[in-house]
Amino acid sequence: DTGVSQDPRHKITKRGQNVTFRCDPISEHNRLYWYRQTLGQGPEFLTYFQNEAQLEKSRLLSDRFSAERPKGSFSTLEIQRTEQGDSAMYLCASSEDRDTEAFFGQGTRLTVV
Amino acid sequence: SQKIEQNSEALNIQEGKTATLTCNYTNYSPAYLQWYRQDPGRGPVFLLLIRENEKEKRKERLKVTFDTTLKQSLFHITASQPADSATYLCAPLRSWGKLQFGAGTQVVVTP
Repeated sequence: DTGVSQDPRHKITKRGQNVTFRCDPISEHNRLYWYRQTLGQGPEFLTYFQNEAQLEKSRLLSDRFSAERPKGSFSTLEIQRTEQGDSAMYLCASSEDRDTEAFFGQGTRLTVV
Repeated sequence: SQKIEQNSEALNIQEGKTATLTCNYTNYSPAYLQWYRQDPGRGPVFLLLIRENEKEKRKERLKVTFDTTLKQSLFHITASQPADSATYLCAPLRSWGKLQFGAGTQVVVTP
């Protein structure tokens, strides 16, 4: 097992385009998280899954953001009609359970031009 | 709503000294508290977990305390080294809750 994998590592897109990121968690990890991080800030919670169920989505998140985790394995995060303010590092993490350590991927850096 | 606060100013410290970081939380009672280290351009890496019934936890040169009365955790790096320079994040969690982080405190250890 090579840890949490995110794809792509970098994405440059034009404003108004849709983008989709993928996260492959560590196998058998039940929890999967998505975060957004900008320079000098801590990871901002976006959403999380317990197996295939999406348990919570940040109220700060607009309807342009959607995430899925079909069959409780990999997850995708889609941003529709991207805006320049969406430029950030998007991090994915997985953990066995709620009180165990989370393992992070390397992140996807999104730049909206 | 629940709030997590960490020192926003960078902590500059001389090699060999002890660095002490603070994490305060309000409006909830976490059952666990985790600390992570993050280097520039990389995802956070787990360091320590402490439970509400534990006052103190140690791992090598790291020590964490958890005071549920003060709603505070202290994170200590003893005998600090330049390689300890990074941003340190705390994450207090409810037993059923999500993993949510403070803004982090940057530590800079100079030789």
